[in-house]
Amino acid sequence: QSVLTQPPSASGTPGQRVTISCSGSSSNIGSNTVNWYQQLSGTAPKLLIYSNNERPSGVPDRFSGSKSGTSASLAISGLQSEDEADYYCAAWDDSLIGPVFGGGTKLTVL
Amino acid sequence: QVQLVQSGAEVKKPGASVKVSCKASGYTFTGYNIHWVRQAPGQGLEWMGWINPNTDATKYAQKFQGRVTMTGDTSISTAYMELRGLTSDDTAVYYCVRGGALAATGDDWGQGTLVTVSS
Repeated sequence: QSVLTQPPSASGTPGQRVTISCSGSSSNIGSNTVNWYQQLSGTAPKLLIYSNNERPSGVPDRFSGSKSGTSASLAISGLQSEDEADYYCAAWDDSLIGPVFGGGTKLTVL
Repeated sequence: QVQLVQSGAEVKKPGASVKVSCKASGYTFTGYNIHWVRQAPGQGLEWMGWINPNTDATKYAQKFQGRVTMTGDTSISTAYMELRGLTSDDTAVYYCVRGGALAATGDDWGQGTLVTVSS
């Protein structure tokens, strides 16, 4: 029952490119930027992408983001085993006056 | 570098209250909101509310209205989240998150505090 909708799982083999989608509404993604977080097992989430497509310092350029209308996506190219994690999209919601999150996508590297 | 260091794990009985602290360093504490986000075992992220440490303004998610209080002590750069009337559904890892430098939804996260509610 998360406000933003993500697929629960995704997978790929090393070297492949995978994408994760995130769908929202006019009050969140439609009017604000989208951020993505990576959560490795047993650790706190880490900011991966901000402002739709910007990477914080230290995040490899294999990670990229995009947004169109009320949807966004995260792409990971050159997939590596260490990319296996949960990925969450997030956006500010003007109705709630707070952030909303997707339910998370568990990425498995086969 | 920015650090948010949270208090240790807690075990509480149903009906009790818990107060989690979050000590900030590496930036101007009053310059950014602090969000509180929780994650139940095996579940996703749930926003609880935020506090502006400069003005003490707060905004709580409707689900927690009347049961949560967020405060800040600027003298020691520490934010607090108190949750009352605990039930087993409140068993979760609670995170404090600095908001607004890069991402309004949160840039830097604390290490998390596990709160277990059990009789």
